[in-house]
Amino acid sequence: EPEVTQTPSHQVTQMGQEVILRCVPISNHLYFYWYRQILGQKVEFLVSFYNNEISEKSEIFDDQFSVERPDGSNFTLKIRSTKLEDSAMYFCATRYRERAGANVLTFGAGSRLTVL
Amino acid sequence: AQKVTQAQTEISVVEKEDVTLDCVYETRDTTYYLFWYKQPPSGELVFLIRRNSFDEQNEISGRYSWNFQKSTSSFNFTITASQVVDSAVYFCALSEDQTGANNLFFGTGTRLTVIP
Repeated sequence: EPEVTQTPSHQVTQMGQEVILRCVPISNHLYFYWYRQILGQKVEFLVSFYNNEISEKSEIFDDQFSVERPDGSNFTLKIRSTKLEDSAMYFCATRYRERAGANVLTFGAGSRLTVL
Repeated sequence: AQKVTQAQTEISVVEKEDVTLDCVYETRDTTYYLFWYKQPPSGELVFLIRRNSFDEQNEISGRYSWNFQKSTSSFNFTITASQVVDSAVYFCALSEDQTGANNLFFGTGTRLTVIP
């Protein structure tokens, strides 16, 4: 079964450092998402991406965050200067083209980020 | 505004018992979709079911069943004859259609522990 692949599975970084999380989406999927889950809390939407641009973002997704799909395959989330509160599990999700609300998202296994 | 409430934070049952996980939602849209995702200890999010707001027919899939009632804005999930492998955090989620929203709103999750 096709899957969404995320790397790294776990990254530890110092506060203030830049972090890039990578996602390889399912090949025929056109919509890409990043979600975040702080330990023990609910999963929160960060950003959605379609046709090489951001289509929607949440309040969490401030200027420290950016996304891109530089080579047409990997979908990346960059955190420019990490803060302690950025420690979380970051999930990439993708979906095929269908009506927006019908979102059956396929999630990756997540990248756990620990900021010290 | 959208909201998903999972009032049960943690539930423990003995293997082979039935268990129901509650989900109550709020939305102003008339067209929306409801989801259940499972998050096993390994951390990934596994899609279980999607329901649209016009289909109130209950669904059964093996030991899993879902009861959607628009009158009470609830979308409850029952596991029959629970097994240890059912131990996980279960998230209910809502996606709206009319607003063109691209993202899922998750509840806070219910941690289910099945005791052998």
